[in-house]
Amino acid sequence: SQQGEEDPQALSIQEGENATMNCSYKTSINNLQWYRQNSGRGLVHLILIRSNEREKHSGRLRVTLDTSKKSSSLLITASRAADTASYFCATDANDYKLSFGAGTTVTVRA
Amino acid sequence: GAVVSQHPSWVICKSGTSVKIECRSLDFQATTMFWYRQFPKQSLMLMATSNEGSKATYEQGVEKDKFLINHASLTLSTLTVTSAHPEDSSFYICSARDGSGRHQETQYFGPGTRLLVL
Repeated sequence: SQQGEEDPQALSIQEGENATMNCSYKTSINNLQWYRQNSGRGLVHLILIRSNEREKHSGRLRVTLDTSKKSSSLLITASRAADTASYFCATDANDYKLSFGAGTTVTVRA
Repeated sequence: GAVVSQHPSWVICKSGTSVKIECRSLDFQATTMFWYRQFPKQSLMLMATSNEGSKATYEQGVEKDKFLINHASLTLSTLTVTSAHPEDSSFYICSARDGSGRHQETQYFGPGTRLLVL
């Protein structure tokens, strides 16, 4: 079942700007993962953050996790046209099954 | 590393026919494979989990006789949509995890299979 809610649903930014999207979930988790999906394609794993971690970086990506608020955010800095995609958060409640959020569609304008 | 392939990438079939979709892990042994379904502009919904050599576990509301899953080896899982109908038209995505690897929590996704049932 789907437990993640993401906002905004859609985001349009200028190249070079930062993009921030948020994810909220309902139950306890072991980890939370962010994925990117280009139109009509499979998912690409971006970053995994464990429940005992608060922040994680990978290149231009920064993920935060607040387990007390059951929320996470993904920040993409200095966005590029190639970052145009849908971004999904997914939670793992310790059984390796992923429950996906609704996704945020990001459009980066040149 | 960690590449997952799916075949076919798209398929069009007539109502009532069965369609088989293959999911392969190319460079690792997938102890667990997952099958998801995605409708246009929507999120992924987990259909079932399959472990090599055992029966698949289906999520609530997913008909196991409709969606047959076989995980015969550590690198191959198949999803067969039996007696397909137009409402089965969707984007089917598989993923795989390496239970013995360093990144056990990470799932690696295939490119997806688009099914259109006429």
